[in-house]
Formats: sequence, C-alpha cells, structure tokens
Amino acid sequence: EVQLVESGGGLVQPGRSLRLSCAASGFTFDDYAMHWVRQAPGKGLEWVSGISWNSGSIGYADSVKGRFTISRDNAKNSLYLQMNSLRAEDTALYYCAKSSAYSISAEEDYWGQGTLVTVSS
Amino acid sequence: QAGLTQPPSVSKGLRQTATLTCTGNSNNVGNQGAAWLQQHQGHPPKLLSYRNNNRPSGISERLSASRSGNTASLTITGLQPEDEADYYCSAWDSSLSAQVFGGGTKLTVL
Repeated sequence: EVQLVESGGGLVQPGRSLRLSCAASGFTFDDYAMHWVRQAPGKGLEWVSGISWNSGSIGYADSVKGRFTISRDNAKNSLYLQMNSLRAEDTALYYCAKSSAYSISAEEDYWGQGTLVTVSS
Repeated sequence: QAGLTQPPSVSKGLRQTATLTCTGNSNNVGNQGAAWLQQHQGHPPKLLSYRNNNRPSGISERLSASRSGNTASLTITGLQPEDEADYYCSAWDSSLSAQVFGGGTKLTVL
C-alpha cells in the first residue's frame, strides 16, 4: 500500500524559513517522480514543484521560484521542500504526491494527507 | 501561471448523468490530455483518470474521461450521493514547463 506522510508544517513568521518532509513507503521510491502541491484554505489545488526520479529534472511554479527548493533522498525514501522567504500567501495545506511515472510531467496518482503551513506574524 | 478553466459548479439529480469540462490550450490539454481528481471535504485528492483517459484500479466504471481538442471531459453516470465532491483537472504545460490545475468544479447531487 502506497503511503506518503508529510511533516514539518507549522506557524512561521513572514520572511522566515521552513522545511517540509515526506516519508514514502509501499512502492519503489526511486522509480518515480514526486511532487508538492498546495491548497490554500477554501481554495483550489496549486502545483508547487516536482522532481524526477533521479533529481535530474526539477520544476517550480512561478509563485515559488527562487524561494523554494525541492530535493529527494532515494536512500531514505524521502522528499523535501525547503521554503525560504515565506509570505502570507504561502499559507496552505501542502501535499506530497507520487507521480505515475519517472518524469515530472506525469500526473500524480497518490497523495498524502498534507501538512499545514501558516505564515503569519 | 495560467490555469485550466472549469465551471465552478454543476448540479444534477440522483441517478442522472453529469459531464464536467476542463478547457486549456494546445500546450497543455491539447497536447497530453488532462487527469481528473476528486476531493471530498477534508480529504486529499484522489486520482479518477489518467491523462490517457484510463481509470486507475478500483475506480468505478460509472466514470469515463475523454478529450476533444483543448477540452477534456469527465462523465459520471448514475449519480450517487457519494459523488458529491470537488473535481479538479490537471495537465502538464509544455510551454511553461509546469503543471497546471483547473479551479475545480463543485458537483452537487440533488
């Protein structure tokens, strides 16, 4: 059974940093690309970033480019999102999602429960 | 980044058929198609259809996806109370090198 468990969310002041983690199990982690997708309270889904199976291809939404960094550790079956210079508009539930293929252009087929990030002074 | 266009809401009666639409352009939906996701309140999204219109294992045969040009559609037949949820489409945009989502459609089953 595919399991994705996010952690690292919380309340943070504007301008500060936060690092999210996602622990994956139930599938061969290094065969698949991974994504972060967020959902602001009461709003729709927004793709944040994706990383290919071997970290060779990485993509970001314009809204986070230059501030967020995605990475993965295939030895630890883990995905990360380093978030710097956080803004109020980054407040959202952040989902870790498994891609259906090795490429970041493939759709997400499994999602975690999400970790809540609140940016407020 | 420009997203895909979905109607905000659709209402249909029990056991009726609902067709949800998702409009993009030749760089996204028209290029590789759109995936469909269902999200119930308080739960994470669930994949209903891959971009090639195939259903993942365990997804009801009452759901079918299709595409015509730059518009993708999800048809749900024999509507049940549990079909009431938010539905999102997603696609890879080759010009943006980014994934784009639709704004979501809230399906109400009357």
